[in-house]
Order: sequence, then C-alpha cells, then structure tokens
Amino acid sequence: QKEVEQDPGPLSVPEGAIVSLNCTYSNSAFQYFMWYRQYSRKGPELLMYTYSSGNKEDGRFTAQVDKSSKYISLFIRDSQPSDSATYLCAMKARDDKIIFGKGTRLHILP
Amino acid sequence: DAGITQSPRHKVTETGTPVTLRCHQTENHRYMYWYRQDPGHGLRLIHYSYGVKDTDKGEVSDGYSVSRSKTEDFLLTLESATSSQTSVYFCAISSYSGISTDTQYFGPGTRLTVL
Repeated sequence: QKEVEQDPGPLSVPEGAIVSLNCTYSNSAFQYFMWYRQYSRKGPELLMYTYSSGNKEDGRFTAQVDKSSKYISLFIRDSQPSDSATYLCAMKARDDKIIFGKGTRLHILP
Repeated sequence: DAGITQSPRHKVTETGTPVTLRCHQTENHRYMYWYRQDPGHGLRLIHYSYGVKDTDKGEVSDGYSVSRSKTEDFLLTLESATSSQTSVYFCAISSYSGISTDTQYFGPGTRLTVL
C-alpha cells in the first residue's frame, strides 16, 4: 500500500460547482497536511496547510482532515475556470520528510 | 515562485554528457531541495541541503550529485545524463529546521530532455 493515494483524474466540473478533492494515507504518524496547486508548466504553490485533525477555511477553499479515517479533503466553492490545475496533497510526520500525492487534474468548464 | 529562480528553464542534451542545474534563492532560507516530477510518479526527492556544504540523499539520488557553497545557491549535477533522467526538475526551499519543515516553496522548474 502506497503511503499517500490520490486519484489522478481528470475531474471535470461546471463553473460554480463545489469541487471535492481527496487523498488517503496509511501512515498514522502524519500530523501535517498540505494542499498545493500546480498550473501547467509551473511549480507547485502552497494553498492550504493544516496541523492534525479538523477544518481550515481560506476564502473559497476548505481543507479537512479526518485522522481516524486517514482521509483528507480539499473543497473548492463557487469553482472558477482559473481553478483549473493539478492539485497535490502532501503530508508529513514530525521530524520526517514531506510525502506528496501524485496529484489530481481538475478542469472547470465555463 | 517569488524569491526562487532556476536556470536554465529548458535544456536539451545528449546521453552521456554532464548537466548542471542551478537553483537560486533570495529568501535566505536554510533548507533547499531538488525534486523531479514525472507522469505517474509525482514529485520525488532527489537530494536536499540543510546548510552550506551540508547535503543528503533523497529517494532517487542515483546518478545525481549536489553542491551548496553559498546559502543562496543549490546546484544539481547529472554526472552522465541518461534518457531516464528526462524530466521536470523543481527546486524548493523552506525555513524550518530539519527535513521536518512544515511547508516548502517551489521554483518554476527546469524542463530537461536527454536524447
């Protein structure tokens, strides 16, 4: 079982819809959870960072962590064509390296 | 990408030639990383540095070496390029102590093709 699993997509949704992106993981020691957005031919940029369980909201983006299920989610409300990108989840245990998911390609259809 | 530049941004080279990629930061961050990104594999850590002259291997370090003689520069060298090293290479930086940094910030990438 891979440490971090992420559906590669592509995921296509109409503009204005709520998008749900997810990752599962196997290492119960993971404590720090991140979401990166990567536009085509660009470097990943940090979107959200969460420590331990719970929700974190930033504008149209909400990150959710369920450590009991080893499952993290990123929700995008009122999706826009400019949200079309690849979204990478990432996570780490204390005093260990970051592990990245392989990314989900998202297309928002105008 | 603010504060991190990579050069060259694109390079085509032939099998067997040495290649050096450069990462330059203006953030004065202690930690620097080199990743490669390939379809189906995601981001994989090649090498990282935790200070000037202090480096260590990542999960895919074979065929690569690094050097860091100044805080702001981290060089990745492909000693004898092979076609399997065709990839997009990203540099990242972070300011926390140890590989246990919470977040990393990425450069714009270098697209390398080995013929």
